[in-house]
Amino acid sequence: GAGVSQSPRYKVAKRGQDVALRCDPISGHVSLFWYQQALGQGPEFLTYFQNEAQLDKSGLPSDRFFAERPEGSVSTLKIQRTQQEDSAVYLCASSLVEGLKNIQYFGAGTRLSVL
Amino acid sequence: GENVEQHPSTLSVQEGDSAVIKCTYSDSASNYFPWYKQELGKGPQLIIDIRSNVGEKKDQRIAVTLNKTAKHFSLHITETQPEDSAVYFCAADDTGGFKTIFGAGTRLFVKA
Repeated sequence: GAGVSQSPRYKVAKRGQDVALRCDPISGHVSLFWYQQALGQGPEFLTYFQNEAQLDKSGLPSDRFFAERPEGSVSTLKIQRTQQEDSAVYLCASSLVEGLKNIQYFGAGTRLSVL
Repeated sequence: GENVEQHPSTLSVQEGDSAVIKCTYSDSASNYFPWYKQELGKGPQLIIDIRSNVGEKKDQRIAVTLNKTAKHFSLHITETQPEDSAVYFCAADDTGGFKTIFGAGTRLFVKA
């Protein structure tokens, strides 16, 4: 595709439900990032993949959050036993090469609302 | 780790005027500073970036300056247009890992 695609665009979950958010990066991009963006705030780093390897997961807020990128392309962010404080927009970004200091292309995000 | 502060949080200008957004960072080892524009319902989009080996970079109506000694960098938009209205984020790389640290954002309103 032409850009980073995220699905679903909107997700409403009842507290305690599990959710899975999908990211399709730009084809051939090595790096993939997940961010959490609370209302009125800047994106906050969650985790980073270089191909299929998860090299940094220091931003994941708890062990309820899990991310994977098994074949080095599509990535899924899973949140177990959702809580109200998980409500936010989850952004995915990809970059052509490894590491930082390169342009990150963002998807439109998934807005998660936990009731 | 890196910390980025951004101000103002809101900026309103008249069409044709200039807009300036300022950011400070804490990690003197950071050397990559991108700026992103985010429109409603969309993801952030890179508009300009600067690396620590230069002090200024310009792209048409947008310029960024970097003062490594003072650890601050600024975005300058000249001849603002209504379509410049959006939220702007500064960011810096966290040299300790793979994080990009974002400021809290500046909501820019350009009045026609």
